[in-house]
Amino acid sequence: NAGVTQTPKFQVLKTGQSMTLQCAQDMNHEYMSWYRQDPGMGLRLIHYSVGAGITDQGEVPNGYNVSRSTTEDFPLRLLSAAPSQTSVYFCASSPGGPVKNEQFFGPGTRLTVL
Amino acid sequence: RKEVEQDPGPFNVPEGATVAFNCTYSNSASQSFFWYRQDCRKEPKLLMSVYSSGNEDGRFTAQLNRASQYISLLIRDSKLSDSATYLCVVKPGGYQKVTFGTGTKLQVIP
Repeated sequence: NAGVTQTPKFQVLKTGQSMTLQCAQDMNHEYMSWYRQDPGMGLRLIHYSVGAGITDQGEVPNGYNVSRSTTEDFPLRLLSAAPSQTSVYFCASSPGGPVKNEQFFGPGTRLTVL
Repeated sequence: RKEVEQDPGPFNVPEGATVAFNCTYSNSASQSFFWYRQDCRKEPKLLMSVYSSGNEDGRFTAQLNRASQYISLLIRDSKLSDSATYLCVVKPGGYQKVTFGTGTKLQVIP
């Protein structure tokens, strides 16, 4: 049981490049989400999904796309990287949503955009 | 005013001390409250949920004060392993969304 896995662990991009951050969970959780964490800002919700085929925007969705074709996978796509997207990205899953249930976080992806 | 506010610290306390953190929230309709722990350069992990009547888990006690709109976390008999950042999490409203505070850093010193 691996829990929530994220790849890559570290990534450096140039401005304008695109990439996909991978997230997978093996706990059969319906709810998955992506957060970014910046110094002094706390964790901010980018996008979330309440089940396969269903996604919605969080607090800071601009510049990011998501899709949820399976229960297990929830990739985050950066369309055209900007220095403002330098951050630590965490994927999380929860059996019934974060309101009443524990969220399980992946180890994070540290992204630097030059 | 931020939805969720925490004193960033750091709180430097000696081993064995008792330390308390508060977290204030702005939305009086907030329904669910949690404390998460985050070690340096690691992912957050749930420490405990906060119930209306208050709850305890070993050395940790969580309280909710709806009238003054804050939650608290009390750690008794601090251990070196308690050194971490403690994140307050609140459900301010909206479907399946929670808001994280920026965290309070605790350093327990020998």
